[in-house]
Amino acid sequence: QQQVKQSPQSLIVQKGGISIINCAYENTAFDYFPWYQQFPGKGPALLIAIRPDVSEKKEGRFTISFNKSAKQFSLHIMDSQPGDSATYFCAASPYGAGNMLTFGGGTRLMVKP
Amino acid sequence: ETGVTQTPRHLVMGMTNKKSLKCEQHLGHNAMYWYKQSAKKPLELMFVYNFKEQTENNSVPSRFSPECPNSSHLFLHLHTLQPEDSALYLCASSQDRNSNQPQHFGDGTRLSIL
Repeated sequence: QQQVKQSPQSLIVQKGGISIINCAYENTAFDYFPWYQQFPGKGPALLIAIRPDVSEKKEGRFTISFNKSAKQFSLHIMDSQPGDSATYFCAASPYGAGNMLTFGGGTRLMVKP
Repeated sequence: ETGVTQTPRHLVMGMTNKKSLKCEQHLGHNAMYWYKQSAKKPLELMFVYNFKEQTENNSVPSRFSPECPNSSHLFLHLHTLQPEDSALYLCASSQDRNSNQPQHFGDGTRLSIL
């Protein structure tokens, strides 16, 4: 099963709030989980990534939480800013094929001033 | 400067036309990818080239024909496309297909089929 399910499809958050996006997968061979950020008119860009040997990874205001037993991972954006308004994609790839990515459906985030 | 340049940015073509999309990367990468991004579907991997050899064809119809003459250039040749092929076509590159080094995406070609 290659699917990665992402929710919600859209999210509106007030400036300063926490944005949370969730993803779930079935394929136990997945072992690399990146998040990509895409602004209108631009291609996706890697934001942050995690391997399943850790349960959490933080880079600035962005944190990935990973629950291996539940096969779920999530992106938390702390102190959300209007400049964070973009579409976010989770993805996963199997061991040894780090760039054979299966993407989630995307979440369109809007941060209101 | 994203390092991955796609041309043209926009393309409108009829169903009987033949056109090509071009992708060029200046990052010294060895793997290049074509993706299709439609409004209501996840980003779909179409083709992968690793060191100029095609390693993945994700059940893409033959009306899409990729070409990778060298590690820096990737083309997608289009012919007799269907309206459902209208989408954003993204090119990406990475150090190689197997590593976890990130993929770098271009800004895409917005394709509209009349």
